[in-house]
Amino acid sequence: DVKVTQSSRYLVKRTGEKVFLECVQDMDHENMFWYRQDPGLGLRLIYFSYDVKMKEKGDIPEGYSVSREKKERFSLILESASTNQTSMYLCASSYGRREGRNEQFFGPGTRLTVL
Amino acid sequence: DQQVKQNSPSLSVQEGRISILNCDYTNSMFDYFLWYKKYPAEGPTFLISISSIKDKNEDGRFTVFLNKSAKHLSLHIVPSQPGDSAVYFCAAREYTDKLIFGTGTRLQVFP
Repeated sequence: DVKVTQSSRYLVKRTGEKVFLECVQDMDHENMFWYRQDPGLGLRLIYFSYDVKMKEKGDIPEGYSVSREKKERFSLILESASTNQTSMYLCASSYGRREGRNEQFFGPGTRLTVL
Repeated sequence: DQQVKQNSPSLSVQEGRISILNCDYTNSMFDYFLWYKKYPAEGPTFLISISSIKDKNEDGRFTVFLNKSAKHLSLHIVPSQPGDSAVYFCAAREYTDKLIFGTGTRLQVFP
């Protein structure tokens, strides 16, 4: 079974703090993704990475950065947390298109509250 | 501009009956469509998918139908069970490996 793990299930931070969210997958997937889920807005892509050290902006990258130094690990960084970044953060991974597999596998999510 | 739309935020169905969840899209270049199920406080789990070259895919109680001319897909669950109560997201793949998600439909199956 594919396993995607996220470093924390719940996190409470203060405005202005630097926040690190870690994601690890164990299936040697090329692609990794960070989303946030908000009521009524569905899942919105923040950043994704299709290879080590490679990254691309998603639909809402402002206020976030990412790091992928190893294939299995993809980190999301909130440089200076703000209250509007309170959300559920979901990490996902998938095979590359050439592998013929298309679904993304999700971690359990991190509920981040910024006070 | 939302490329993938789920216009029904919620749906309530009696146990044993059919649940039909709908999804519309605007981009004719999408080549693959997926449905995910999400319970509260958990990540979404993959349910079923369909390639744009097909019009139907079935897996047990779950069937996905694709109508390309109408840019519409639907998920049928027969028979519905209380454990199916969750939020369902449809998603579409564009030319990269990115998925575009709809806003979700909350399904409640009651006894």
